[in-house]
Amino acid sequence: EAGVTQFPSHSVIEKGQTVTLRCDPISGHDNLYWYRRVMGKEIKFLLHFVKESKQDESGMPNNRFLAERTGGTYSTLKVQPAELEDSGVYFCASTGVAGVAFFGQGTRLTVV
Amino acid sequence: AQSVTQPDIHITVSEGASLELRCNYSYGATPYLFWYVQSPGQGLQLLLKYFSGDTLVQGIKGFEAEFKRSQSSFNLRKPSVHWSDAAEYFCAVDPQGGSEKLVFGKGTKLTVNP
Repeated sequence: EAGVTQFPSHSVIEKGQTVTLRCDPISGHDNLYWYRRVMGKEIKFLLHFVKESKQDESGMPNNRFLAERTGGTYSTLKVQPAELEDSGVYFCASTGVAGVAFFGQGTRLTVV
Repeated sequence: AQSVTQPDIHITVSEGASLELRCNYSYGATPYLFWYVQSPGQGLQLLLKYFSGDTLVQGIKGFEAEFKRSQSSFNLRKPSVHWSDAAEYFCAVDPQGGSEKLVFGKGTKLTVNP
């Protein structure tokens, strides 16, 4: 069974540009989560999808972040325009019925 | 404030030595508890979890953790560390026990000396 896949693994962009991160959850997992770890800080929750619906987006930092999950399969997280403080590692996770989160390898975003 | 605390940012042990990584949480009810590990260049991998029942839980790679309600702790242990255990370890809590929204500690980076 394939795990959670994230693309790209690394991204370096300039301040003001747009970046889109993608997450493919484990097949059949309705719940999809985005988390972020800023350097030196803890991993923090961003938002939660149940199928294609946003269940909880209380962790989204501001309106420069837009997450979508069309069709309830893969999800994208767009940052537009990117700022320096958006640098960090973005993790995606999915859960099935057992309530255990399986994480992807993360996308390391560097804004210069 | 509600939080998850991993007091040790960095721990160094010798190969073959025992290991204990500390985790405390400050949520009132008994949350669901997890330990994840991130090896260099890898994603977060679940080591073990506690939902209810036996307070000593066994995980993968020879790790175990003990839930102590009176101390609000969920410390991770391994009797004999291998060089491949060098990684960063994260304690995580699902405060509502089933919400699946995790709160993480800041992580403990483990270095293993030969």
